Amino acid sequence: AQSVTQLDSQVPVFEEAPVELRCNYSSSVSVYLFWYVQYPNQGLQLLLKYLSGSTLVKGINGFEAEFNKSQTSFHLRKPSVHISDTAEYFCAVSGIQGAQKLVFGQGTRLTINP
Amino acid sequence: NAGVTQTPKFQVLKTGQSMTLQCAQDMNHEYMSWYRQDPGMGLRLIHYSVGAGITDQGEVPNGYNVSRSTTEDFPLRLLSAAPSQTSVYFCASRRDSYNSPLHFGNGTRLTVT
Repeated sequence: AQSVTQLDSQVPVFEEAPVELRCNYSSSVSVYLFWYVQYPNQGLQLLLKYLSGSTLVKGINGFEAEFNKSQTSFHLRKPSVHISDTAEYFCAVSGIQGAQKLVFGQGTRLTINP
Repeated sequence: NAGVTQTPKFQVLKTGQSMTLQCAQDMNHEYMSWYRQDPGMGLRLIHYSVGAGITDQGEVPNGYNVSRSTTEDFPLRLLSAAPSQTSVYFCASRRDSYNSPLHFGNGTRLTVT
């Protein structure tokens, strides 16, 4: 079975500052990793995904994430945030062979202050 | 381009009542699933389906039933509502490929009193 821990429940940052949202996972098998974003009163949208290959993956809206197998982490970063990035962000993992079940982390609420 | 449509958007039930949350998708996706979202707990998988006539349990299936008679529809039934089922429910679908993203509906906010 897989599990995901998002280390920060809330992250406040100032506009145009860099941000990192942390995600650690646990799995005994190879995994697929995802970051989703949820804007207020909406469903979730895919930001980016890691399936295989290059450990640095780029997503929409200027976000990127780095897969670190030795540290079992998949942290999300953006070099300069905007007010419109205010949302809740979810890290998710599935085992390659059990990929019907996508397991989500607890979520990190990103608040951008002007 | 409707995507995943959930109805109703809001519902209030009394303890012991039953109801069905509706989910429909128009993308011909084989895979469909139901999650519940609770504060501080992220999203937890209730049930999922990999095609018409095939369903399976997720992490938190107790108190919920599903069926999949068509590719498009995947209703979630609460047989006897309990206050612990107060939550926001999301339906999601994807193509039958493990690296495809999930497409989410906008959710149903359910309150059980």
